[in-house]
Amino acid sequence: AQTVTQSQPEMSVQEAETVTLSCTYDTSENNYYLFWYKQPPSRQMILVIRQEAYKQQNATENRFSVNFQKAAKSFSLKISDSQLGDTAMYFCAFMKRYQGGSEKLVFGKGTKLTVNP
Amino acid sequence: EAQVTQNPRYLITVTGKKLTVTCSQNMNHEYMSWYRQDPGLGLRQIYYSMNVEVTDKGDVPEGYKVSRKEKRNFPLILESPSPNQTSLYFCASKAGYLGSNQPQHFGDGTRLSIL
Repeated sequence: AQTVTQSQPEMSVQEAETVTLSCTYDTSENNYYLFWYKQPPSRQMILVIRQEAYKQQNATENRFSVNFQKAAKSFSLKISDSQLGDTAMYFCAFMKRYQGGSEKLVFGKGTKLTVNP
Repeated sequence: EAQVTQNPRYLITVTGKKLTVTCSQNMNHEYMSWYRQDPGLGLRQIYYSMNVEVTDKGDVPEGYKVSRKEKRNFPLILESPSPNQTSLYFCASKAGYLGSNQPQHFGDGTRLSIL
């Protein structure tokens, strides 16, 4: 069974600095997808960034980038130039698609990030 | 605007009183799913549906029912709610097979409190 581990329950960073959130996962699959979701105090689940396992190039979305290490099963999120609006819970998620179309999205337990002014 | 709409957003009720949380999406997505979020546990899948009349259990289906009679709607039914079902619930949808690399779109969540 796939598992996703976020080893940092809470983190804090000063505004304008860079922070990295870690995520590791356990799977025997070769083809899968990885996501980072952000949940601000409003409770919405907002997609931050995604990575296809078959792509070697790390995904980037503006200030957000990932360090995807497939062999190590690691998928960390780097937030550059942190802003107060980045304060949120961040969830790492693993998705595997099965034959027949069903899919499984497994979440980590989350990292609560606080950006301090 | 593409969205997943859940109702109600908040509900306080009592043990044993049947309730339904509705979920509707306007993106013509085949795949829909329900999750519950509990502190320290992240999100866990309750049920999912690959298309109309096709549903299957997720990781924590006990105490819940779902139905998928129409493509856009995927209600979550608690026939006899118990306090351990107090949680934050999310509905999500995504495109089916052809959208295999697409992320799931989430509703805004429903906070249920069972007394």
